[in-house]
Amino acid sequence: EDQVTQSPEALRLQEGESSSLNCSYTVSGLRGLFWYRQDPGKGPEFLFTLYSAGEEKEKERLKATLTKKESFLHITAPKPEDSATYLCAVRHVSGGYNKLIFGAGTRLAVHP
Amino acid sequence: DTGVSQDPRHKITKRGQNVTFRCDPISEHNRLYWYRQTLGQGPEFLTYFQNEAQLEKSRLLSDRFSAERPKGSFSTLEIQRTEQGDSAMYLCASSGDGTSGRAIDTQYFGPGTRLTVL
Repeated sequence: EDQVTQSPEALRLQEGESSSLNCSYTVSGLRGLFWYRQDPGKGPEFLFTLYSAGEEKEKERLKATLTKKESFLHITAPKPEDSATYLCAVRHVSGGYNKLIFGAGTRLAVHP
Repeated sequence: DTGVSQDPRHKITKRGQNVTFRCDPISEHNRLYWYRQTLGQGPEFLTYFQNEAQLEKSRLLSDRFSAERPKGSFSTLEIQRTEQGDSAMYLCASSGDGTSGRAIDTQYFGPGTRLTVL
């Protein structure tokens, strides 16, 4: 059964203190790994899609990387506005349709 | 370029009442998904439409839940005889077929409808 595990559950950083979030997955044939950002009371906002081991994507202070078993979201010199829950999901394909299987997320708090 | 919209944003109801939520996907998207999210958890898949056809339903979608997409555009999710366990954020997402300039399988989410059952 496809499964996604994110760690840590919560992370508190000082402004400028770089760190990484982890997403471990088990899936029968990866068809895409997705990172979303979610602010309280809002829907997830798409950040990145990764398809194959070794692939990297960057956007501002965020960089996502992918191996055969896990993905990392690296946050460089974070600012308070980066505070949010970061969700990782894998794409499950079956019978001609696809759905996303999400982890529980990492709640990031960046303090000035 | 409008995103996915959902209505209402918040709904408070009493146990046993029926509720209906609406989702308007990104206009050129033919695929529409419903998810449910409880506090501290990631979204869980409920159901999927391609155009007007409902192609998959999760076992989470009990007989009290029904979803429609009558003309392949907007979708509704109805919950009958609501229970306190139905309290959650209901999220709608849509994705396209590659002609809109966005990645074919990227799901874009709406703001969600927060349901509270008293």
